[in-house]
Amino acid sequence: EVQLVESGGGLVQPGSPLKLSCAASGFTFSSNWLNWIRQAPGKGLEWVASINPDGSSTYYPDTVKGRFVVSKDNAKNTGYLQMNNLRSEDTAMYYCARPPVYWGQGVMVTVSS
Amino acid sequence: DIVMTQSPTSMSISVGDRVTMNCKASQNVGSNVDWYQQKTGQSPKLLIYKASNRYTGVPDRFTGSGSGTDFTFTISNMQAEDLAVYYCMQSNSYPRTFGGGTKLELK
Repeated sequence: EVQLVESGGGLVQPGSPLKLSCAASGFTFSSNWLNWIRQAPGKGLEWVASINPDGSSTYYPDTVKGRFVVSKDNAKNTGYLQMNNLRSEDTAMYYCARPPVYWGQGVMVTVSS
Repeated sequence: DIVMTQSPTSMSISVGDRVTMNCKASQNVGSNVDWYQQKTGQSPKLLIYKASNRYTGVPDRFTGSGSGTDFTFTISNMQAEDLAVYYCMQSNSYPRTFGGGTKLELK
């Protein structure tokens, strides 16, 4: 059974960093892309990062480019989203996903002073 | 960036209704559109991929069509368990972009 479990969320102050993890199981992690998608409270879905199977290529929207870094450790079957210089508008539920089918349950990130 | 304009934003429907929603891409995205269902408190669930392909186990009352810039998602016989927000997403190019969602509510 494919599982994706996010962790690392919480309440942080504006300008702080935070690193999310996505533990994967039930499939060959090293052969698959990994996406991060977020959803602000009461709002729609926003894609925030993608990484290719071997980690050599990454993609971001302009809203997070230069602040967020996506990575994956294929030996540990774990993906990461390093978020730096967090802003209040980054407050959201963050999902990792093996596109297009499998999504985790999400982890909440709140940026507030 | 490709803008996905989804309409309507909400619909009041009855069980048994035929429900149709649309997504219009600001550029040609070929058939690279997926449709997701999100129920309250849950993560999104893939229903349709590549515009018209029903994912494994998805009931056949859910269908998708379209190519290029215009896409349609239809529920042929609305069931109570279909109450949710539905999103389209283009996977033709980066950045990936979602439509704003269509919320289905009971009349």
